[in-house]
Amino acid sequence: NAGVTQTPKFQVLKTGQSMTLQCAQDMNHNSMYWYRQDPGMGLRLIYYSASEGTTDKGEVPNGYNVSRLNKREFSLRLESAAPSQTSVYFCASSITRQGARETQYFGPGTRLLVL
Amino acid sequence: AQSVTQLDSHVSVSEGTPVLLRCNYSSSYSPSLFWYVQHPNKGLQLLLKYTSAATLVKGINGFEAEFKKSETSFHLTKPSAHMSDAAEYFCVVSGSGGYNKLIFGAGTRLAVHP
Repeated sequence: NAGVTQTPKFQVLKTGQSMTLQCAQDMNHNSMYWYRQDPGMGLRLIYYSASEGTTDKGEVPNGYNVSRLNKREFSLRLESAAPSQTSVYFCASSITRQGARETQYFGPGTRLLVL
Repeated sequence: AQSVTQLDSHVSVSEGTPVLLRCNYSSSYSPSLFWYVQHPNKGLQLLLKYTSAATLVKGINGFEAEFKKSETSFHLTKPSAHMSDAAEYFCVVSGSGGYNKLIFGAGTRLAVHP
């Protein structure tokens, strides 16, 4: 039981390049999330997926796209990377229960540097 | 709207002394509250969670937190710090909305000295 896994662990991009961050969970969770972490700001939600086949914008979605490939996998794509997207990206998952606030389980993160 | 404020960005203690990490929250309804820990270059790990049951919540590694509605606080404590407790700690409040929204504090970096 690996929990939430993310690839790659590190990535360096040039401005304008594209890339996809991968996330997978093996806990049979319905909901998945992408966050970014910047110094002094905690984590901010980029996109989330409440169930397979649905995605919605979070707090800071500009410059990103997501795909919920199946129940296990949720990818984050940067179409044209910018230096402002230098950050640490975390994927998380949780069960979905109407009206309840469920614990989110986090992956180890992807450190992205955009030059 | 919900918000969370961690009152100290850095806390430094000696090994074996008590730890207090302070967190105040704002919520228009009865929230769920969490503390997560992040060790260097690692992901976030849940320490404990409050969901309107007992106001004193016990977590992993000897940590506990007390929910005080009158003070809108959810401070994290540990009686005796260990070197392995050095990490960043995030206080988190559940948000309103149709999904499992979490609102993170800015974090408190705990340093533990020998």
